Amino acid sequence: AQTVTQSQPEMSVQEAETVTLSCTYDTSESDYYLFWYKQPPSRQMILVIRQEAYKQQNATENRFSVNFQKAAKSFSLKISDSQLGDAAMYFCAYRPLFNYGGSQGNLIFGKGTKLSVKP
Amino acid sequence: DTAVSQTPKYLVTQMGNDKSIKCEQNLGHDTMYWYKQDSKKFLKIMFSYNNKELIINETVPNRFSPKSPDKAHLNLHINSLELGDSAVYFCASSQERLLGHSDTGELFFGEGSRLTVL
Repeated sequence: AQTVTQSQPEMSVQEAETVTLSCTYDTSESDYYLFWYKQPPSRQMILVIRQEAYKQQNATENRFSVNFQKAAKSFSLKISDSQLGDAAMYFCAYRPLFNYGGSQGNLIFGKGTKLSVKP
Repeated sequence: DTAVSQTPKYLVTQMGNDKSIKCEQNLGHDTMYWYKQDSKKFLKIMFSYNNKELIINETVPNRFSPKSPDKAHLNLHINSLELGDSAVYFCASSQERLLGHSDTGELFFGEGSRLTVL
């Protein structure tokens, strides 16, 4: 079964600095999606960034970038120039690319990392 | 317009009651989901519906029943509520491309419904 592990329950970063959140996953599939979702205190789940496993190039979205190491099954999130609004729970998630009977659409989440941003 | 909307956003009720949470999406997606987020913030899939057909049931108690009157709606009914049902319930939707192939893979989430059972 696929699993997602976030080893850092909490992280803290100074405003304007850079922070990296770790994520590892376990799968026997060769094609899949990886995501980072952000959940601020408002509770809304917001997609931060998406990576398709068959693409070697690391995804970037403005201040957010990932370091995707397929062989190591590692998918870390780097937040540059941290802002107060970045404070939130961050969830790493895995989803298979191809859907098989009984497992379609199953987005599997890690336990989350709570990020605090200090002014 | 909110893409995925849930009502109510907060629900406080007594043990043993029956309650429903409604979900609607206006994205034209063909698959909808219910996730449960427990007190430790862990998110776990409960159900998903594709074209009005249940395709995942992650061994949740049969007191929970999803009902989809049409492609844009997936409601969650809970009978005989228990203390352990207290959680935040998220509705989500996605577009699946063809047989067995996800589109972008992204799930779009509602704002969540916090259920408190007393």
